[in-house]
Amino acid sequence: GAGVSQSPRYKVAKRGQDVALRCDPISGHVSLFWYQQALGQGPEFLTYFQNEAQLDKSGLPSDRFFAERPEGSVSTLKIQRTQQEDSAVYLCASSPPGGISYEQYFGPGTRLTVT
Amino acid sequence: SQQGEEDPQALSIQEGENATMNCSYKTSINNLQWYRQNSGRGLVHLILIRSNEREKHSGRLRVTLDTSKKSSSLLITASRAADTASYFCATDGSRTGANNLFFGTGTRLTVIP
Repeated sequence: GAGVSQSPRYKVAKRGQDVALRCDPISGHVSLFWYQQALGQGPEFLTYFQNEAQLDKSGLPSDRFFAERPEGSVSTLKIQRTQQEDSAVYLCASSPPGGISYEQYFGPGTRLTVT
Repeated sequence: SQQGEEDPQALSIQEGENATMNCSYKTSINNLQWYRQNSGRGLVHLILIRSNEREKHSGRLRVTLDTSKKSSSLLITASRAADTASYFCATDGSRTGANNLFFGTGTRLTVIP
């Protein structure tokens, strides 16, 4: 079946603009994660959903970052008033029911460049 | 902050040689996973080893885990040019109960044909 998809793949925003990044997880996967990956670094956790419930948002760097998954499938990560330090690849991952022992399936990421 | 550290940061080998990457982590875990990332792409899961396992094999991959030293190694045997990628270890948040993964800084592997 289809894997995790993300759109857009590339986004250039001027500083101060708002952006919205979309993630379509694998059908049936209840867990959804957002990660931020800076150049040359490993992914860092942003937020986690189980179905529509946002259970952990401890990794969101500021209140400019907001994520939602209203129907428990597609998720959107929104960044308001973008800053240059927001430039990174934003990765979405999903995993099936069963808890933390399951591997995560990653999308290709959205590369955000803030100019 | 990231939990793990990979060593070396970069590794360059000839096709056919073996590649060994090491990972150290800081807190107790339920399992440790290795992922591969090709340039400009998402991460692909390679192998998962549970905290009560010491060694696991999958094709040309061999992973070891030493929970007393909080370290793991990934061995790729008979490397191919297509193995060129960045490799990350990732641990779960056993201590905190978190469901997310904590990634290391990665090893960039280059296999020269």
